[in-house]
Amino acid sequence: AQKVTQAQTEISVVEKEDVTLDCVYETRDTTYYLFWYKQPPSGELVFLIRRNSFDEQNEISGRYSWNFQKSTSSFNFTITASQVVDSAVYFCALSSSSGSARQLTFGSGTQLTVLP
Amino acid sequence: GAGVSQSPSNKVTEKGKDVELRCDPISGHTALYWYRQRLGQGLEFLIYFQGNSAPDKSGLPSDRFSAERTGESVSTLTIQRTQQEDSAVYLCASSLEGSGRYEQYFGPGTRLTVT
Repeated sequence: AQKVTQAQTEISVVEKEDVTLDCVYETRDTTYYLFWYKQPPSGELVFLIRRNSFDEQNEISGRYSWNFQKSTSSFNFTITASQVVDSAVYFCALSSSSGSARQLTFGSGTQLTVLP
Repeated sequence: GAGVSQSPSNKVTEKGKDVELRCDPISGHTALYWYRQRLGQGLEFLIYFQGNSAPDKSGLPSDRFSAERTGESVSTLTIQRTQQEDSAVYLCASSLEGSGRYEQYFGPGTRLTVT
């Protein structure tokens, strides 16, 4: 069975602070895929990034960066110089190519509030 | 290009009635998924369609839930004899194909309220 844990239920920061959202996963598959999604107050889930299990390079996209560490089964997400518009629920998710694991297994989400 | 669309956006129904929720995936996406999101919670997988293969129904919570998909296009999720615990946002997603490798793109959801 696959599992994704986002231990931080809620985080509140002041604008321009950096913030890291933690994600820890469990899977028995050797090939798997990790994702981050953003769910703003409007409710629609927005895809942010996909990472393959065989590619451990960190990635930076503007103010967003992702740190994938297979050794600790973690895929953490950092927002640099946070902005009020970053306020949303962020979900980490996992899938693999084996059988019923092709659907996404989601963590419970982290509610990020960025205060002006 | 057009994203995933869902209708209706909101549905209020009385306990015991049947409801149908519709999803139009992104054109060319062979895989389609249904998820349920209860208030303040994460997403629960319900059912998955990939091309002409038999659907993966492993997430359906009871036999009151069923879904169909016409070829590689529209899907309908049906909930029979609705119960109050069925109240949730029902989200549909599609992806290029169903190997698990590709990101899923989500629709805006249907908010179902059972009174």
